[in-house]
Amino acid sequence: QQPVQSPQAVILREGEDAVINCSSSKALYSVHWYRQKHGEAPVFLMILLKGGEQKGHEKISASFNEKKQQSSLYLTASQLSYSGTYFCGTHSLGAGNMLTFGGGTRLMVKP
Amino acid sequence: ETGVTQTPRHLVMGMTNKKSLKCEQHLGHNAMYWYKQSAKKPLELMFVYSLEERVENNSVPSRFSPECPNSSHLFLHLHTLQPEDSALYLCASSQEALGLLNTGELFFGEGSRLTVL
Repeated sequence: QQPVQSPQAVILREGEDAVINCSSSKALYSVHWYRQKHGEAPVFLMILLKGGEQKGHEKISASFNEKKQQSSLYLTASQLSYSGTYFCGTHSLGAGNMLTFGGGTRLMVKP
Repeated sequence: ETGVTQTPRHLVMGMTNKKSLKCEQHLGHNAMYWYKQSAKKPLELMFVYSLEERVENNSVPSRFSPECPNSSHLFLHLHTLQPEDSALYLCASSQEALGLLNTGELFFGEGSRLTVL
């Protein structure tokens, strides 16, 4: 079963912050975050492994709460280049080689 | 060339046609994947190959037939498709197949946009 992302879409002004949430009904081993710009391939952002770690990538960071089976992606001081659709992918315990993606969150950053 | 290359980028076919999508990765990876991306739907995993062996077949109709002749090439053979099969088909590769010991970071191609008339 696919993870649920929220919100489905968000519009920001340059410099504003945003949080994208990813929630699963299954116990997770890892959460993966990707960004896809219109007409382009999805690009890897980061992976969070079981253990509740938090990672950062420039001004984009993420957390993983394995007890709640949730992950959040934090975008701070957003830039125009952050626009795109963000997908979380979850690897569930017992799911073999399957990475299951959420429906995506469309982010638009305006000047 | 670097990364993951998919051809053709666009394909229009009738329901009785037979066509193939091709994917080639130049990253030295051992795992390759086919994903389907439809409008307003999540990315759907179709097939996973690890070292040329199919390790996942996610309940995909038999009108889609994958082939992995070596670790650098992956094909998706299409036969008697339906209009609802129109979508963007994404190929991806990773160093190893996703597993408890492998994080399986995916490198995607730009996709093949398929339209079935």
